[in-house]
Amino acid sequence: LAKTTQPISMDSYEGQEVNITCSHNNIATNDYITWYQQFPSQGPRFIIQGYKTKVTNEVASLFIPADRKSSTLSLPRVSLSDTAVYYCLVGEGSGGYQKVTFGTGTKLQVIP
Amino acid sequence: DTAVSQTPKYLVTQMGNDKSIKCEQNLGHDTMYWYKQDSKKFLKIMFSYNNKELIINETVPNRFSPKSPDKAHLNLHINSLELGDSAVYFCASSRIGTSGGGETQYFGPGTRLLVL
Repeated sequence: LAKTTQPISMDSYEGQEVNITCSHNNIATNDYITWYQQFPSQGPRFIIQGYKTKVTNEVASLFIPADRKSSTLSLPRVSLSDTAVYYCLVGEGSGGYQKVTFGTGTKLQVIP
Repeated sequence: DTAVSQTPKYLVTQMGNDKSIKCEQNLGHDTMYWYKQDSKKFLKIMFSYNNKELIINETVPNRFSPKSPDKAHLNLHINSLELGDSAVYFCASSRIGTSGGGETQYFGPGTRLLVL
């Protein structure tokens, strides 16, 4: 399984753009890159997923370079409610069955 | 309607007891999972079921036994509870995709288990 490495924690002021980078040097051809957000006392929640290049949705953008050995989650203009742990993971699937490994996550603290 | 629900939300019990955690999803998904999140917040997959069939079984003590009566339910039974079993247990579900690893997992709210 591809292992992921991401910063343990980050601080940001409200209104700033936050970029969280994740390394996954051993990513396999079939692996997708997925980011989840977890608030205290809640289950992880899907944010965004991509395979290559750039993906954008209403919440975030995901930048994936051509070699796919890393990815960057970009959160535009964060607010206090974005304080959470953000997990980067790659999923190995065989016939659609997922076996994903959650890393340590990045604890984002948004400061007023 | 809650997509993935778990009961109970909190579970406090004595060492040596047997307990069960129930999970239900109303998303029509084929695959369900159990994860354990310890005090250091590491989230580890324990089991995965697809259409009531065990697909993934990580290195988990035999005291943990998942049961899937139908594809909408995946229960977790734990025998002879130990102090180290204290953690938050999350249930999740996903569709079966046609490509590898590309399906979003939907998580339940978690069950906080405390073994005394």
